[in-house]
Amino acid sequence: AQTVTQSQPEMSVQEAETVTLSCTYDTSENNYYLFWYKQPPSRQMILVIRQEAYKQQNATENRFSVNFQKAAKSFSLKISDSQLGDTAMYFCAFMSSTGTASKLTFGTGTRLQVTL
Amino acid sequence: SAVISQKPSRDICQRGTSLTIQCQVDSQVTMMFWYRQQPGQSLTLIATANQGSEATYESGFVIDKFPISRPNLTFSTLTVSNMSPEDSSIYLCSVATGWLEDTQYFGPGTRLTVL
Repeated sequence: AQTVTQSQPEMSVQEAETVTLSCTYDTSENNYYLFWYKQPPSRQMILVIRQEAYKQQNATENRFSVNFQKAAKSFSLKISDSQLGDTAMYFCAFMSSTGTASKLTFGTGTRLQVTL
Repeated sequence: SAVISQKPSRDICQRGTSLTIQCQVDSQVTMMFWYRQQPGQSLTLIATANQGSEATYESGFVIDKFPISRPNLTFSTLTVSNMSPEDSSIYLCSVATGWLEDTQYFGPGTRLTVL
């Protein structure tokens, strides 16, 4: 079974600064997908970024980028130019690529607070 | 992506009663999922709902407690039966999109409080 570990329960960053959230996972599979979801106080789960394990290039979405280290089974999220609206819980998630539409396995989350 | 709505957005219920949560998506999707998020916790998959077949439940979740319907490709319901305070959670539906159905988008969630 896959496991996802987020070792930082809470983090804080000042507005306009850069912050990195850590995520490690455990799997015996070679092909899979990794995701970062954001959950603001409104509780809506919002997809931030997606990475396919067979792609060596790190995914980027505007101010959000990942550092995907497949051998180390590490998948960190970097948020540049942090904004107050980035305040939220951030969940790292794993999806197997065997079959179709496999379930998501989530980490325990990191609560990010962006301050003035 | 997909636009997903859930009803109700929140509810307060008495123990022993049942609540049905609806999930509507704006496009046809094959796979829909129901997750539970207990207070201060991460998300746990309850079941996968496929149109035209029985839902597939994860370990620890049973059909008698969480019956699911999937009458068509845009709609699903989750019922939380014979509720107890331990069922107080956020319940979220998601849909799988993409060519390989390898990306999930979530509805806004239903916050359930059981007294």
